[in-house]
This record gives sequence, C-alpha cells and structure tokens, in this order.
Amino acid sequence: AQRVTQPEKLLSVFKGAPVELKCNYSYSGSPELFWYVQYSRQRLQLLLRHISRESIKGFTADLNKGETSFHLKKPFAQEEDSAMYYCALSPSNAGGTSYGKLTFGQGTILTVHP
Amino acid sequence: DTGVSQNPRHKITKRGQNVTFRCDPISEHNRLYWYRQTLGQGPEFLTYFQNEAQLEKSRLLSDRFSAERPKGSFSTLEIQRTEQGDSAMYLCASSLGQTLKNIQYFGAGTRLSVL
Repeated sequence: AQRVTQPEKLLSVFKGAPVELKCNYSYSGSPELFWYVQYSRQRLQLLLRHISRESIKGFTADLNKGETSFHLKKPFAQEEDSAMYYCALSPSNAGGTSYGKLTFGQGTILTVHP
Repeated sequence: DTGVSQNPRHKITKRGQNVTFRCDPISEHNRLYWYRQTLGQGPEFLTYFQNEAQLEKSRLLSDRFSAERPKGSFSTLEIQRTEQGDSAMYLCASSLGQTLKNIQYFGAGTRLSVL
C-alpha cells in the first residue's frame, strides 16, 4: 500500500523567511513524487515533480529515498505563496516515470504574513 | 477554456436520490481519473480510465457508484441512493498517459451536498 504523510496541517511564516513543507511517504516500489498547489478559489495544479528536478516559483524539492521524504522548500517566502499544498505519490515504471493513480497527503495550508 | 471541465459545479440532493456528474477531459488526453475530497483531507482516488476501458477501481467505490467513459471522451460518475456520507467534492483529472507526460490536470470539481 502507498501512503503520503504531511505532518503539518498549518504553517505560518513571514514574508522573506525560509519555508519548508514536509512530506514523507511509504511505498514498496519506486515512486514518482509530486507537489500540487491550490490557490484560493482556483483548481488543483501541479507545482513540481521530482523527476523534472526543476525550480518552480522559487520552490525546490529533493527526493530522499533513504528518509522516504520529499520536502518542499523555498528560501524566501512571498505573500502570493499562501495556498494549500499537497504532496502526492504515483507508482512509476522501470524508467522512473509515473503511471496510474495519485495518492495524496492531507495537505498543508501555508500562510505568508506581510 | 481548454482545461478539464466538470458539470455541475454544485449539486444539492436529498438522501436516497440518484445523481450524475460529468467530466470533459482535455481533448487529446486518453486517461481520465475520478477522485473524491472531503473536508480537511487530500483527494482520494476512486477510479480511472484509459480511453473507454476502466482500468482500476478503489474499494471506496461501492456498488452504488458507477463510472463510464463511452467512446473514450467525456466521463460520467453516477451515485445511486445517495447517503449523507457521500457529501464531498468530486474531482476529475486527465492526462496524456504517456510515460513522460503523465501529468494529471484537474477540473474545478463538483461539490455534492446530500441533505
């Protein structure tokens, strides 16, 4: 069975402070990990995926297979980063790319104060 | 708008009634997914299709739930004899289904309230 845990339901920081949203997973195979974001009154959208190794809107996330973690980080938070963030996992094939369903964590509400 | 479209956006029904939701995926996407989200939780997988074939169903999908995707285009999710516990946001997502492009794009959802 696959499981994603986001230990913090709420996270508050001030503008310009570093932010880290935690995500831990359990899965017997080799997963692909994603961060999805939902801004107020908008639909769920992909922020980044580990296989792309990109920095999107200043956010990065590194897959740590030893610790089974995929924490989301940003060195200087902005007010527009305030949103709900979901970590998600998908099974991957031998090439390391995903297929099939997503398993989501419970989400973390990030609030960035001015 | 070329994104995933879901109708209706809101549905209020009485317990015991049947409801049907529709999802129109992004046109070239051959995979279509249904998820359910309750308050304070992340989306939970219900079922998915590749073209018209239903490839996986969650055990959350009781026999009161049925999903179809005729001709591999739009999909419908029907709930029969609704219960108050069915109240939730029902999300649809679609993807290309190719290994490097299996990014799921979500619709705005249908919010169901069962009175």
